[in-house]
Amino acid sequence: GDSVTQMEGPVTLSEEAFLTINCTYTATGYPSLFWYVQYPGEGLQLLLKATKADDKGSNKGFEATYRKETTSFHLEKGSVQVSDSAVYFCALRVGTGGFKTIFGAGTRLFVKA
Amino acid sequence: DAGVTQSPTHLIKTRGQQVTLRCSPKSGHDTVSWYQQALGQGPQFIFQYYEEEERQRGNFPDRFSGHQFPNYSSELNVNALLLGDSALYLCASSFRTRTETQYFGPGTRLLVL
Repeated sequence: GDSVTQMEGPVTLSEEAFLTINCTYTATGYPSLFWYVQYPGEGLQLLLKATKADDKGSNKGFEATYRKETTSFHLEKGSVQVSDSAVYFCALRVGTGGFKTIFGAGTRLFVKA
Repeated sequence: DAGVTQSPTHLIKTRGQQVTLRCSPKSGHDTVSWYQQALGQGPQFIFQYYEEEERQRGNFPDRFSGHQFPNYSSELNVNALLLGDSALYLCASSFRTRTETQYFGPGTRLLVL
């Protein structure tokens, strides 16, 4: 079945460090891929998305490229800030007629000043 | 412009009881999806409603049912509650089922004792 696997956390980095959170997926058809973020005390919100192979999604300095050959959608940021501390979820969206979004288990990121 | 709203914010029930959770979509949105998020896990897709019909369903038993009203608001009903139903229930809305971007509500936290 359709699934998303992302690296376990927590991930702890110092400010200005480089971030990578790995995400791989299994899906039939051609899913759209997403990264969502959940900041402390806030609701889930879309960070970035990519709808087809080789698309790059980007937002707030974060980037992820849809790699069909490796079924991956790794999240990267060149220089993290304390304010990036949150839980990050990789997700895919599949379906016809109606659509369902499948989430990974989440990766908690702590950024130290 | 109000975002996605959910009620109640918190709820405590006992095993075997029934519960109804409510969701009002963001203005202009006509599609509602429901998710269950257990503590420390990613959201799991329950079902999606569009034009008052269930369009897609995840791997949840028939104890989980829903409804969408003509004003696009939605209810999630859970019968015969189990301890394992304790979770944060999230509602997300979008415009049409195919739209990539979903907006999530703050959730209803359900505790089953």
